[in-house]
Amino acid sequence: QQKVQQSPESLTVSEGAMASLNCTFSDGTSDNFRWYRQHSGKGLEVLVSIFSDGEKEEGRFTAHLNRASLHVSLHIREPQPSDSAVYLCAMYYAQGLTFGLGTRVSVFP
Amino acid sequence: DMKVTQMPRYLIKRMGENVLLECGQDMSHETMYWYRQDPGLGLQLIYISYDVDSNSEGDIPKGYRVSRKKREHFSLILDSAKTNQTSVYFCASSSGQGDEQYFGPGTRLTVL
Repeated sequence: QQKVQQSPESLTVSEGAMASLNCTFSDGTSDNFRWYRQHSGKGLEVLVSIFSDGEKEEGRFTAHLNRASLHVSLHIREPQPSDSAVYLCAMYYAQGLTFGLGTRVSVFP
Repeated sequence: DMKVTQMPRYLIKRMGENVLLECGQDMSHETMYWYRQDPGLGLQLIYISYDVDSNSEGDIPKGYRVSRKKREHFSLILDSAKTNQTSVYFCASSSGQGDEQYFGPGTRLTVL
């Protein structure tokens, strides 16, 4: 079973509305979580890294981590059409990162 | 500007041929990674390199080997490629384990 589960699989939002993505992980041993964005046919771009419970903001992107609930979320403020992409949650484990399958976000004007 | 490059970007090979994927980084990062990305499976770690000639298997190393003779270059080698190795391969680098990983643009490999 995937160590990192993302929901929803896909999300459609209007430009300017808040977009919220969720990620649950299988164990609470890691303290190193990241959100990446992947535009179609491109590599991964790191958005936010978070290492302790609470909130971390990077521009329009805010991550919330609650290790007790095994949950990390990403909120995209005022999304734009250029934010249309697949968003990947990743958790650091012994050797490297383990990724979720992603949430495909589509932003319409 | 920090950069990870991958060559080639697209590659078509026949089953049984050898494949060489190359990755470079200009950040003097010690640690480099190879992943593959497949629909329904996501990104999976193939190999990690902690520095020159210091490599370790990841989660799915079978059918692959790597070479790192210079800190800035990390190669992925498929000896006698198989059709199930058709995938998009990503290279990444970080200054150390647990640090931010920077990804290359990927290589789309098709094995016929």
